[in-house]
Amino acid sequence: NAGVMQNPRHLVRRRGQEARLRCSPMKGHSHVYWYRQLPEEGLKFMVYLQKENIIDESGMPKERFSAEFPKEGPSILRIQQVVRGDSAAYFCASSPSGQEGYTFGSGTRLTVV
Amino acid sequence: GNSVTQMEGPVTLSEEAFLTINCTYTATGYPSLFWYVQYPGEGLQLLLKATKADDKGSNKGFEATYRKETTSFHLEKGSVQVSDSAVYFCALNENFNKFYFGSGTKLNVKP
Repeated sequence: NAGVMQNPRHLVRRRGQEARLRCSPMKGHSHVYWYRQLPEEGLKFMVYLQKENIIDESGMPKERFSAEFPKEGPSILRIQQVVRGDSAAYFCASSPSGQEGYTFGSGTRLTVV
Repeated sequence: GNSVTQMEGPVTLSEEAFLTINCTYTATGYPSLFWYVQYPGEGLQLLLKATKADDKGSNKGFEATYRKETTSFHLEKGSVQVSDSAVYFCALNENFNKFYFGSGTKLNVKP
């Protein structure tokens, strides 16, 4: 049973480009969470999604950031017009029910140059 | 609101030394408490957890006790190994919709 898969592991974007980060939850998990880890800091919650629904996006920046979890395929975190301050590690987690079994992926490290 | 405060690092110890990493929390309700470990270049791995007051979580020689009276969840290990070198995060979760993490404590264990 594969864990939470995130790709790419490393992503380099120039300022102004778009970044797309993918997260495939564990088999049987329909709840997905995105977190951002800035250098030397802890993880900060961004958004919680279930299939085709955003449940809690209280941690998402109001502009340039969006997330989706379609009926088929991985969850996508999209960052438009990236800036240097978006450089961070972005972690995805999934759970089967939202109550337990919370498992983190290995993260995508985004570098904006 | 909810928040977690943990001791700043880095913490440098010799092998077989005793480890304590302090963690205190603020919560509006009755959270579950967790310790996660992150090895270089990797994601977070659950180390241990406690779901109610006075519970003790333990794993791989690490342990932590949920102290409601002092709102603390300090991580301890009696004898650290070089392989324990990592960043340790204290976290709380009230309803599994989101975790609140501390800023992490880097542990360096020297042979």
